[in-house]
Amino acid sequence: NAGVMQNPRHLVRRRGQEARLRCSPMKGHSHVYWYRQLPEEGLKFMVYLQKENIIDESGMPKERFSAEFPKEGPSILRIQQVVRGDSAAYFCASSWDREFYGYTFGSGTRLTVV
Amino acid sequence: SQKIEQNSEALNIQEGKTATLTCNYTNYSPAYLQWYRQDPGRGPVFLLLIRENEKEKRKERLKVTFDTTLKQSLFHITASQPADSATYLCAPSETGGFKTIFGAGTRLFVKA
Repeated sequence: NAGVMQNPRHLVRRRGQEARLRCSPMKGHSHVYWYRQLPEEGLKFMVYLQKENIIDESGMPKERFSAEFPKEGPSILRIQQVVRGDSAAYFCASSWDREFYGYTFGSGTRLTVV
Repeated sequence: SQKIEQNSEALNIQEGKTATLTCNYTNYSPAYLQWYRQDPGRGPVFLLLIRENEKEKRKERLKVTFDTTLKQSLFHITASQPADSATYLCAPSETGGFKTIFGAGTRLFVKA
C-alpha cells in the first residue's frame, strides 16, 4: 500500500513557465483533493475531483490554474505562467468513496518560482 | 464566513503531562471533525475523526470531544512524549468529507 504519491517533491520554475504537479491517490480511493499551504499558514482548499469530474473548484484561482483527474493516470494540477506568489507547498489528498474516514495526504510538492 | 480558530500560540508542556488543544468554529455546522498531525516539511497525517452525533472518541493516548452546542472540539494527548511535538490541525467537514476547512494549527512542544 504505497499511500498517496506526489511528484515531484520539489519543483523550481522561472516566472512565466508552467508547473505540472502529479498525484496518484491511494489504492481504492476515487476522490482527490488539492490543497495549498503557504509558510506558517494553514491548508487552503483548491479543488475536489473524482474520476473525469471536477466536483468543486471553488478554491482555485480562476486564471492560470487548472486540475484534472483522467480515467487513467494521476491527477494533475497545472499552473500556467507561474508568478512568485505561486511559491508554496501543494498537497494532494485522497479519500474512500463509500464512507468518509478522513483524508490520506501525500508528501506534497514544494514549488519555488524564481 | 466560516471560521476555524485554534490556539494561535505554541503549547509547551512537560513530558508525561496531558496536552489539551482547542478548536472553535463559527458559521459552520460540520457533520465531522477531524484532527491531523503535521511535522515540518511533511504532509498532514490523519489521527481521529468524530461525528456530530458522537460526544467523545479515543484512540490509544488520544481523545477527542465534539460539542456541537459550544461549536468546539477538544483534543487531548495523555502521557505526552517528546515525539508528540508537532503541529496539530483541526478540520471540520460536511457530510461525505466535502468542504473540509483546516484550522491554522497549534504547535505543541513536549519537553523531556
